[in-house]
Amino acid sequence: DIQMTQSPSSLSASVGDRVTITCRASQGISNSLAWYQQKPGKAPKLLLYAASRLESGVPSRFSGSGSGTDYTLTISSLQPEDFATYYCQQYYSTPSPTFGQGTKLEIK
Amino acid sequence: QVTLRESGPALVKPTQTLTLTCTFSGFSLSTSGMCVSWIRQPPGKALEWLARIDWDDDKYYSTSLKTRLTISKDTSKNQVVLTMTNMDPVDTATYYCARSYSSSWLIIDYWGQGTLVTVSS
Repeated sequence: DIQMTQSPSSLSASVGDRVTITCRASQGISNSLAWYQQKPGKAPKLLLYAASRLESGVPSRFSGSGSGTDYTLTISSLQPEDFATYYCQQYYSTPSPTFGQGTKLEIK
Repeated sequence: QVTLRESGPALVKPTQTLTLTCTFSGFSLSTSGMCVSWIRQPPGKALEWLARIDWDDDKYYSTSLKTRLTISKDTSKNQVVLTMTNMDPVDTATYYCARSYSSSWLIIDYWGQGTLVTVSS
């Protein structure tokens, strides 16, 4: 299975900050990467797929980039509703997708 | 409007078999490319993909759990059922069913609300 490693595991930031979360795959995944946001007690929500494509309805302050094994999620200007846990997921290796361990974004 | 809802027991005893049902609406699992996965999340931990069933009845399982899992579908009832045998306390988790619109790219665009299953005697 392809292993996904996120960093950092937790992050403190303030409203208006620009934040970046990194996801590294154990092998190349050809941009087959999705990002999800999860709030406490809720199901994950799809934010981006194909590394950089924004899901419909997701604010444009969210963006993604990367290639090969290294990918990033950037939030350009944090809003109060963005404090949550973020997961990356590779779908290059179907049928077995794998998730990162999550990055908890907290208010400073 | 796509919705998925998980149902099943909240509490199971060790060694018992867990049966979870996902009832969905807003799409058909007979549509080419469509698939439904089960994913779980232990309290405070990360997401783990368990199993998937495709529109053409192809089935796939987590390598580490495949001996314990069975997934099936009833297209007429819009349901997907997951059974997991020999439950253990480490299987305590929230179990989600989720949809992907392409079996080639497992992008999960809709999730159920999840159901918490506790394994305890």
